[in-house]
Amino acid sequence: GAGVSQSPRYKVAKRGQDVALRCDPISGHVSLFWYQQALGQGPEFLTYFQNEAQLDKSGLPSDRFFAERPEGSVSTLKIQRTQQEDSAVYLCASSSRWAGGSLTGNTIYFGEGSWLTVV
Amino acid sequence: DQQVKQNSPSLSVQEGRISILNCDYTNSMFDYFLWYKKYPAEGPTFLISISSIKDKNEDGRFTVFLNKSAKHLSLHIVPSQPGDSAVYFCAASNPHGQNFVFGPGTRLSVLP
Repeated sequence: GAGVSQSPRYKVAKRGQDVALRCDPISGHVSLFWYQQALGQGPEFLTYFQNEAQLDKSGLPSDRFFAERPEGSVSTLKIQRTQQEDSAVYLCASSSRWAGGSLTGNTIYFGEGSWLTVV
Repeated sequence: DQQVKQNSPSLSVQEGRISILNCDYTNSMFDYFLWYKKYPAEGPTFLISISSIKDKNEDGRFTVFLNKSAKHLSLHIVPSQPGDSAVYFCAASNPHGQNFVFGPGTRLSVLP
């Protein structure tokens, strides 16, 4: 596809249920980011991949959150034992290049997000 | 502790006039800044960027100004159009960072 694709668009989960959110980045993009956006807030960084390597997972809020990108393209964000505070929009973004350790000059392109509601 | 601040949650402007959206940051290491626009139920879309070696970048109706000494940047939209009504996010990165830090956003309403 031409843009970043995320699925499902909307997910309602019962508290305690596990969820998996999928991101299909722009073809050929080496960098992939996951962000969490709560209502009325800006996107908050969760984790970053360069190809299949997860280089930064400092933003993951707890060990219930796990992300993978095994073949360097599609990524999955998994949330185990969901809780109400996990309700948010989960945004995936990708970028074509990794400029030698700096993001200067880079642009990240977002998908439409996966809206998670935990009841 | 917010490193990127957008102190105006909302802004209303008349169509045809100038919209000025402000962003302040606290981390002096930030050297690259972007503005994104977000419509309801959509992901953020990239608008314009600026690196710290410049103080102005222009793209059509959109101009971003950077004041490094004040740690302040602003997005000017001239002339404003009703289709510009959206939430605008400021984002920043530093030379050693591996992610962008976003502000909380400003909701712009352009009134016909």
